[in-house]
Amino acid sequence: QQQVKQSPQSLIVQKGGISIINCAYENTAFDYFPWYQQFPGKGPALLIAIRPDVSEKKEGRFTISFNKSAKQFSLHIMDSQPGDSATYFCAGESRVTGGGNKLTFGTGTQLKVEL
Amino acid sequence: KAGVTQTPRYLIKTRGQQVTLSCSPISGHRSVSWYQQTPGQGLQFLFEYFSETQRNKGNFPGRFSGRQFSNSRSEMNVSTLELGDSALYLCASSLDPSGSVEQFFGPGTRLTVL
Repeated sequence: QQQVKQSPQSLIVQKGGISIINCAYENTAFDYFPWYQQFPGKGPALLIAIRPDVSEKKEGRFTISFNKSAKQFSLHIMDSQPGDSATYFCAGESRVTGGGNKLTFGTGTQLKVEL
Repeated sequence: KAGVTQTPRYLIKTRGQQVTLSCSPISGHRSVSWYQQTPGQGLQFLFEYFSETQRNKGNFPGRFSGRQFSNSRSEMNVSTLELGDSALYLCASSLDPSGSVEQFFGPGTRLTVL
């Protein structure tokens, strides 16, 4: 119920290409879906996020596509650059009894953008 | 504005020992969450503190505990360390725990249990 399934585990894209990472969730209580980017030796940093009442959100080269009925969402990175090489995590956030929110993360995708 | 800081950054312990990790949230942030990151299990939620109270807890054994101080700084403790506790422990702080707002992560503490 709590899982977020993420694929692929790793991805190699040529510079200028499109990187696509997919996630699927089961918990219908999730009401916020962030994507985090993590570089080696650093903690994850929020990249972009979407709420389930929106089907798409775009920020610069990064776009989230959201399909509520299929319980799937994906991250598209347009014009991928070597500096985008990092690990990407999708997540679902749910309210928790007692207050506050809890993030449930996907297993991560290692993206490498080659020249 | 200073980010989330965690100390120490690296730690080596032996089985059976205990360890305390520290997290200083961003100034003004009152919610602090802890996560364990391992290659096999990914990022897993440990617990969340707000106003010195643990509000949420993940599925970890009682050997994992934490606390939050009045200045919002937080510590987590792991007792009777096991080899499987080797991981990157991440702390995240957020401004408003009642809404869906960004959690800011620290760089983590890399714990190695020998």
